Amino acid sequence: AQSVTQLGSHVSVSEGALVLLRCNYSSSVPPYLFWYVQYPNQGLQLLLKYTTGATLVKGINGFEAEFKKSETSFHLTKPSAHMSDAAEYFCAVVASGGYQKVTFGTGTKLQVIP
Amino acid sequence: DTEVTQTPKHLVMGMTNKKSLKCEQHMGHRAMYWYKQKAKKPPELMFVYSYEKLSINESVPSRFSPECPNSSLLNLHLHALQPEDSALYLCASSQGGGGTGETQYFGPGTRLLVL
Repeated sequence: AQSVTQLGSHVSVSEGALVLLRCNYSSSVPPYLFWYVQYPNQGLQLLLKYTTGATLVKGINGFEAEFKKSETSFHLTKPSAHMSDAAEYFCAVVASGGYQKVTFGTGTKLQVIP
Repeated sequence: DTEVTQTPKHLVMGMTNKKSLKCEQHMGHRAMYWYKQKAKKPPELMFVYSYEKLSINESVPSRFSPECPNSSLLNLHLHALQPEDSALYLCASSQGGGGTGETQYFGPGTRLLVL
């Protein structure tokens, strides 16, 4: 079985400050990991994903995440927050092999303060 | 065309009504998905179609009936729904047959209210 834990349902940062959204996973097999963003009244958009290879993954809009197997973590970071980053962020895990059954975390709502 | 489209955007229906949600993609993707998302919750997988065949049904009640008429279209037929079925219904697609690690592309969703 696989699961995802996102620490902090709400995170507030000042514009220009570092964004750090935390994600820890549990998986009995090597996982594939994703970060999605959801703006109000919209669907989900992929920010980045880790499958294999380099553990530091760069995504869209200046976001990146690092896969740390020893810590079972996949935290999302951005050096400088923009107002447009305010949204809901979901970490997700897929167990490797078989059909793509995605398990989402409970989400973190990011607020950016001007 | 890198879009997944969903119609309608909003739907209000009574518990005795029959309605359908429609999802369309023209990216040549061979896997399509239905998710249900309640307010302030993550999406929950309902169904997966791979190469137009139902491959995953997450024990969804029979009042939800999916249909994949062709590789570009995915429908969700609704009948005798309950108020607790009110949610945002998201459609997604991925390139291959739904294999692990494929990026899923999501539509904007249909917001359903059952009265």
